[in-house]
Amino acid sequence: GENVEQHPSTLSVQEGDSAVIKCTYSDSASNYFPWYKQELGKRPQLIIDIRSNVGEKKDQRIAVTLNKTAKHFSLHITETQPEDSAVYFCGPGGGNKLTFGTGTQLKVEL
Amino acid sequence: DAGVTQSPTHLIKTRGQQVTLRCSPKSGHDTVSWYQQALGQGPQFIFQYYEEEERQRGNFPDRFSGHQFPNYSSELNVNALLLGDSALYLCASSLARRNEQFFGPGTRLTVL
Repeated sequence: GENVEQHPSTLSVQEGDSAVIKCTYSDSASNYFPWYKQELGKRPQLIIDIRSNVGEKKDQRIAVTLNKTAKHFSLHITETQPEDSAVYFCGPGGGNKLTFGTGTQLKVEL
Repeated sequence: DAGVTQSPTHLIKTRGQQVTLRCSPKSGHDTVSWYQQALGQGPQFIFQYYEEEERQRGNFPDRFSGHQFPNYSSELNVNALLLGDSALYLCASSLARRNEQFFGPGTRLTVL
């Protein structure tokens, strides 16, 4: 089965700085690479995703980059704001089945 | 356009009991996946339903079973509850040929 690792497990940045979270996966058949944001007590929300035929995708302050050869993809958040504080999960997979990492707690400090 | 809904919000059961959780997918979606999220962990895939059949299953015992109805809504049943079944149970809906999954608010199950 898919083995997924996220690094770092916790990340603290100053407001306005950039944050990068990396996700490493094992299943070379994975062809879909999403990132979810989960605030305390809330549902996971899809914030950005990328498919295996694309290397990078950007949506305003967030971007995802994929290195399929090395089997990792990363979430990039620029100009971080306090409302970006949450747990972020990667969930590589395909065919409607996702395998989630253990999450990264991002804290944006004023 | 209604998003994914789940009921109940919270549930308390005792060991050995059985529980049924319900999920209504986002309008227009036909596929429902169930996940278990233990405290401090990422969601773990339980199984997926499409066209009223279980299509994929994760590493969960047979005590976990499900059903999908003709209107695409779904139920998750757990028999012989164990303390370790305490978790947030999330339902996610999607279209069969699209990978994007949208989660419901979850049902918090506590087993005493």
